[in-house]
Amino acid sequence: DTAVSQTPKYLVTQMGNDKSIKCEQNLGHDTMYWYKQDSKKFLKIMFSYNNKELIINETVPNRFSPKSPDKAHLNLHINSLELGDSAVYFCASSPRHGTQYFGPGTRLTVL
Amino acid sequence: GENVEQHPSTLSVQEGDSAVIKCTYSDSASNYFPWYKQELGKGPQLIIDIRSNVGEKKDQRIAVTLNKTAKHFSLHITETQPEDSAVYFCAASTPEGAQKLVFGQGTRLTINP
Repeated sequence: DTAVSQTPKYLVTQMGNDKSIKCEQNLGHDTMYWYKQDSKKFLKIMFSYNNKELIINETVPNRFSPKSPDKAHLNLHINSLELGDSAVYFCASSPRHGTQYFGPGTRLTVL
Repeated sequence: GENVEQHPSTLSVQEGDSAVIKCTYSDSASNYFPWYKQELGKGPQLIIDIRSNVGEKKDQRIAVTLNKTAKHFSLHITETQPEDSAVYFCAASTPEGAQKLVFGQGTRLTINP
């Protein structure tokens, strides 16, 4: 039983393309997140949604647009991909103000 | 905003010995401090957490201590085993931003058999 799942696990694409990463959680949590982990393993929050409402939006280029169709899903769409977007992206979920559970990650490589 | 510093960046210990990883935080309002373990190719997994109303918490071979006055907290792993090898992250969050975890830079722990 996968708690937080992400697709795809690997994504290789060319600069300038638009791509999406999907995230789903079956834990019944109200809150979902996107984190970016760079090549030095540093983890930084990008967005957080609570019951489909955006509550955290860090300093992220507006090429990144999260979308939450329902509270079990939080997708990440990236426009006009750049080399610097290459990273591992993690989705996470939690009860409100509770422990965050992370997905397996999506490794994005921009060529 | 909150800033979390983590040391050391790498740590190598002999199997059976203890390992200690330390973190400091800047925002005295922070009240929640989780520790995550990340194995190669996987997402971070919570191993233990502590809230600011407690000074120490233990779960089998893992313990976390918190010093609110000094604004630092530490992870202690005793009787280390090869499967403890991974990258460990500390994090902190404040009541207002309870859903925003600020992570330390990570510690790569290697257990030598």
